[in-house]
Amino acid sequence: GGIITQTPKFLIGQEGQKLTLKCQQNFNHDTMYWYRQDSGKGLRLIYYSITENDLQKGDLSEGYDASREKKSSFSLTVTSAQKNEMAVFLCASTTGGAHEQYFGPGTRLTVL
Amino acid sequence: GDSVIQMQGQVTLSENDFLFINCTYSTTGYPTLFWYVQYSGEGPQLLLQVTTANNKGSSRGFEATYDKGTTSFHLQKTSVQEIDSAVYYCAMRHTEGADRLTFGKGTQLIIQP
Repeated sequence: GGIITQTPKFLIGQEGQKLTLKCQQNFNHDTMYWYRQDSGKGLRLIYYSITENDLQKGDLSEGYDASREKKSSFSLTVTSAQKNEMAVFLCASTTGGAHEQYFGPGTRLTVL
Repeated sequence: GDSVIQMQGQVTLSENDFLFINCTYSTTGYPTLFWYVQYSGEGPQLLLQVTTANNKGSSRGFEATYDKGTTSFHLQKTSVQEIDSAVYYCAMRHTEGADRLTFGKGTQLIIQP
């Protein structure tokens, strides 16, 4: 089996600060995802990547950047943190298509 | 556009009750449908998936039938236990842009002992 690791588990930042969340997977999966989870709103896709150095925008990409420099890692940057984007950020990976997505445990973002 | 609707934000049951969580979808064609479950403090994990219309998926006592006529994929379990307390997400694989899923808003299941 494999595992998805997200760091940090808790991230606290100031309003307007640039913050980076990291995700690593050892499944050797091609496709990776970043979702934002807000209570009562489900999972909304921010960015995804189907291979190294590829980036695809999701439905919620404004205010975020992403980077896939290696197959095993996918990072997400909040370009200017705002209080209304306090949420849990989930990373996932898959071999692609209709295959199962495997999720990490999440990073909880708090903005002061 | 593509959408997945879960009307129930929260369901509260007692142990051994029957569970029914509503899910309907809207898209063109016949997408692959999923149920994911998220236990407290963890990421979501796949519970079951069905690719072919009118087929049934089952796992750990949960069942869901892909009904293309009513565009529904409701989740059922005959007798819930306290360990089933979790958030359940219905999801759909896009028929175009096939690497993406659309998730419903989730249904929190609370089982009272």
